[in-house]
Amino acid sequence: GAVVSQHPSWVICKSGTSVKIECRSLDFQATTMFWYRQFPKQSLMLMATSNEGSKATYEQGVEKDKFLINHASLTLSTLTVTSAHPEDSSFYICSAMGGGLETQYFGPGTRLLVL
Amino acid sequence: RKEVEQDPGPFNVPEGATVAFNCTYSNSASQSFFWYRQDCRKEPKLLMSVYSSGNEDGRFTAQLNRASQYISLLIRDSKLSDSATYLCVVSNNDMRFGAGTRLTVKP
Repeated sequence: GAVVSQHPSWVICKSGTSVKIECRSLDFQATTMFWYRQFPKQSLMLMATSNEGSKATYEQGVEKDKFLINHASLTLSTLTVTSAHPEDSSFYICSAMGGGLETQYFGPGTRLLVL
Repeated sequence: RKEVEQDPGPFNVPEGATVAFNCTYSNSASQSFFWYRQDCRKEPKLLMSVYSSGNEDGRFTAQLNRASQYISLLIRDSKLSDSATYLCVVSNNDMRFGAGTRLTVKP
């Protein structure tokens, strides 16, 4: 299957800090990337969908000014959690699709803990 | 009504058991169907695609019923390592994930 990486895998930060998470497709060109959030023992929640070179489409209830998404190239998308607060602590997972792939492939996720 | 619905479980079965999960979807125009598996504290991983004619991959069999708008996953001869959450995914340009069905296989 296709390989998607995410960096960093863990982040612990103070409240008010901005945190940037990178998602890369390593062996295919990702025309579309997705960002999800998952709280403990809950299901995946889609936050936003981004197409390369376009503005991201956010799901209802997700603040676009709080969660900044950039998809500037076919292999890289970034999610920046601005002024993170403890309630933003979660497991953030990206996925990517493109290059003829029929479905999404997920990155390993980033655990964010805001103190 | 949710776009993709799954029984959340948990399903607790002994090793060697056969277990089946169902998933229903609301969008009749959906074109592609998948099962993913998610282990605790890990990302989802593609388990198998689901084709109209049904398909099998070792101990796993997936079936699609378009008329009734449901998808199933059958696991035969369950192993301890099958313990995970199984996510049903339905796509019509946008991919929609079910909330997942949790399976625990016990010795």
